[in-house]
Amino acid sequence: DAKTTQPPSMDCAEGRAANLPCNHSTISGNEYVYWYRQIHSQGPQYIIHGLKNNETNEMASLIITEDRKSSTLILPHATLRDTAVYYCIVRVGGAQKLVFGQGTRLTINP
Amino acid sequence: DAGVTQSPTHLIKTRGQHVTLRCSPISGHKSVSWYQQVLGQGPQFIFQYYEKEERGRGNFPDRFSARQFPNYSSELNVNALLLGDSALYLCASSFISGTANYEQYFGPGTRLTVT
Repeated sequence: DAKTTQPPSMDCAEGRAANLPCNHSTISGNEYVYWYRQIHSQGPQYIIHGLKNNETNEMASLIITEDRKSSTLILPHATLRDTAVYYCIVRVGGAQKLVFGQGTRLTINP
Repeated sequence: DAGVTQSPTHLIKTRGQHVTLRCSPISGHKSVSWYQQVLGQGPQFIFQYYEKEERGRGNFPDRFSARQFPNYSSELNVNALLLGDSALYLCASSFISGTANYEQYFGPGTRLTVT
């Protein structure tokens, strides 16, 4: 079973920041938080990951709470192409198995 | 650089038949994992292969098997197909070095329909 909880769906206006929450209250000290997204019927795409510090790359920012029990993925200026299912996954460092939950279906509206 | 490639793109089989799906990882990646994604669900882990050995297996019946070749490409085989095997089959490759964290890159998948 997935160790994360995400809202099933969210809407965001184009050009605004999309903030996707994830709860992982049972996360262990050696588990990382990963985010992937899946655009309709394509393979999942890696977005970002972090352990305890906030992270930023060209796609998104990841904010992890100090107690590491939750995190937020931020897409700073959402576009229509960001419409996808977003998956939050916790994963032990070096482990290959990814346990996907149901994810959040994010719809960007014009 | 080429990403993860999978073949075929789509496949239609009849119940009871056998199917072989193929995956070529990103150059330099020695780990390949297979996932099954049923419509409306997240991907479910089937197998992981690294250096031609099985390193992980998900909760799938023995009808599912896989192997990895010396060039690190991989095949997923499913015998005695059931209607419930209809799904998108995803392959992911990753670079591995000790316990360091490296992301997995997914291919476009093979859409299998069993009738």
